[in-house]
Amino acid sequence: GAVVSQHPSWVICKSGTSVKIECRSLDFQATTMFWYRQFPKQSLMLMATSNEGSKATYEQGVEKDKFLINHASLTLSTLTVTSAHPEDSSFYICSARAGAGGSETQYFGPGTRLLVL
Amino acid sequence: DAKTTQPTSMDCAEGRAANLPCNHSTISGNEYVYWYRQIHSQGPQYIIHGLKNNETNEMASLIITEDRKSSTLILPHATLRDTAVYYCIVRVLNYGQNFVFGPGTRLSVLP
Repeated sequence: GAVVSQHPSWVICKSGTSVKIECRSLDFQATTMFWYRQFPKQSLMLMATSNEGSKATYEQGVEKDKFLINHASLTLSTLTVTSAHPEDSSFYICSARAGAGGSETQYFGPGTRLLVL
Repeated sequence: DAKTTQPTSMDCAEGRAANLPCNHSTISGNEYVYWYRQIHSQGPQYIIHGLKNNETNEMASLIITEDRKSSTLILPHATLRDTAVYYCIVRVLNYGQNFVFGPGTRLSVLP
């Protein structure tokens, strides 16, 4: 299957700093990428949909000025957590869609674990 | 997208087949059934998907009932590494839509 990578795999930062997470589709082009967040013992929750060359679409309750998304190319999307606080500590997962038409499959990255002290 | 219902947890003996059910009684004719799994502290892994015919790949088999209101994911010979949360998702044909994850089924493969 298609491969999606994320970097870094984990990060620890101080409260008030910004953290950038990269998501790359390694062997396919992805016009659409998705960013999810997962808290302990919970399921994945969609944060935003990232479209190449246009502004991201954020889910209700997700602050677009706090979670900056850039999708500058067909293989790279970045999520920047600005002025991070301890409550932003979570497991952040990106995914990219491969294929065309209704049966396209979404492939997920390995996730980035963020700990804000 | 149609709502799915899965058991919260299941156990399976190592080497035996694991049969994970999913109910999607409100599924529409153009919705596919997808299965993903998430091993602890990793991103979800695609397993298999289908529309109405049964499907098989190197990981699993997907059996969809004739009325498409339920399906079963079969891991033919479960191993300890198959211990994970398994998500059944039904998804409409819409290129812009994401996958909506429910709580899934926590499968524990026991030695």
